[in-house]
Amino acid sequence: SFEVTQSPSVSVSPGQTANITCSGDRLGDKYASWYQEKPGQSPVLVIYQDTKRPSGIPERFSGANSGNTATLTISGTQSMDEAEYYCQAWDSSSVVFGGGTKLTVL
Amino acid sequence: QVQLVQSGAEVKKPGASVNVSCKASGYTFTGYYMHWVRQAPGQGLEWMGWINPNSGATSYAQNFQDRVIMTRDTSISTAYMELSRLRSDDTAVYFCTKVLEYSSSHGAFDIWGQGTVVTVSS
Repeated sequence: SFEVTQSPSVSVSPGQTANITCSGDRLGDKYASWYQEKPGQSPVLVIYQDTKRPSGIPERFSGANSGNTATLTISGTQSMDEAEYYCQAWDSSSVVFGGGTKLTVL
Repeated sequence: QVQLVQSGAEVKKPGASVNVSCKASGYTFTGYYMHWVRQAPGQGLEWMGWINPNSGATSYAQNFQDRVIMTRDTSISTAYMELSRLRSDDTAVYFCTKVLEYSSSHGAFDIWGQGTVVTVSS
């Protein structure tokens, strides 16, 4: 079955760029979405269809998807961006989530 | 505004069933597929399945195929998820979430309920 893999953790200094990756076989052939989840809160959609930002999501969030890797990029990372991030894709008729990446803003 | 409001926390014994509700408001309930996702303590997100609120058609993840039933009541814009034969490893937060795109089972999930904590313990 199709799986996607994320690194468990990423650390970044405030103001720097954070790259969070999601890997899966030919993931670039599918649409990837990204969710931000803070402790005690519900997930929030930050990127969909690889590159699109929902209304209200800051421009510093961007996405790309090619080959076997989808990437969520946060430019000028702020302390408020510290959270768990999950990628999500569809495999035929099933939803697949990555295991999550903990973003720490040091 | 668009929102999904779920029912309150539940404590169940092993072998019992739980029914979680998800009331939608601020949009056309029958126009958007509803999915259910759960998250065990300290773990990631796990997809459970979807329901088409318009037709009532469902599709379940293989892991839950024989234990979950998703229904809806269009008169009150509410979706339900019933999980039976509960085990301790079913202890989790259960979320309902709607698909972004109109009349599509696939896609991203743009609105999430606040989550319902289900604890399974003897």
